[in-house]
Amino acid sequence: DAKTTQPNSMESNEEEPVHLPCNHSTISGTDYIHWYRQLPSQGPEYVIHGLTSNVNNRMASLAIAEDRKSSTLILHRATLRDAAVYYCILRDAGETSGSRLTFGEGTQLTVNP
Amino acid sequence: DADVTQTPRNRITKTGKRIMLECSQTKGHDRMYWYRQDPGLGLRLIYYSFDVKDINKGEISDGYSVSRQAQAKFSLSLESAIPNQTALYFCATSDFGGRGLFGELFFGEGSRLTVL
Repeated sequence: DAKTTQPNSMESNEEEPVHLPCNHSTISGTDYIHWYRQLPSQGPEYVIHGLTSNVNNRMASLAIAEDRKSSTLILHRATLRDAAVYYCILRDAGETSGSRLTFGEGTQLTVNP
Repeated sequence: DADVTQTPRNRITKTGKRIMLECSQTKGHDRMYWYRQDPGLGLRLIYYSFDVKDINKGEISDGYSVSRQAQAKFSLSLESAIPNQTALYFCATSDFGGRGLFGELFFGEGSRLTVL
């Protein structure tokens, strides 16, 4: 299975943008890029996903490199509530369930007031 | 109320005891999962179920068993708990994620198990 590489930790200031990188150099053409995050004392929650084009939703934006070997999750204005572990995960388009999602260590985001 | 509810949220037990962690969901999803989270190892899949009659082993099923009592209920059992099963356990659900559908995972809040 294709793997992802993320920094162990990042730090940001409140109300500033945050760019969380993810490398996935062995991504296949049918892999979607998913992001989940895990707030303290909670289970992971879905953030966003994409295939080739950049994506925006109410929580974040996802910028995908043209060669798809890397992507960046963008939080436009970090809040204290955004402090969490962020997971970048690849999921094959043919995968019909979450049974093959691999949650690695993710990036621990610290947001300073 | 949470869509995915786990009980108990915290449990301390002794080696050799039988433990059951329960999960119930109101999402109406067919697919349910049990994960284990350990520091430095991320989340690992223990068992998953696509419907009431379907049970599948995940990455680390040894020492665990599951029961899918109904569409909404999926229980994880440790028949004889051992200290290295001390971890944070998560239940999750999803709908069908194929044919272009998404199949987002919805997680419970976790059950912290300590085996002494």
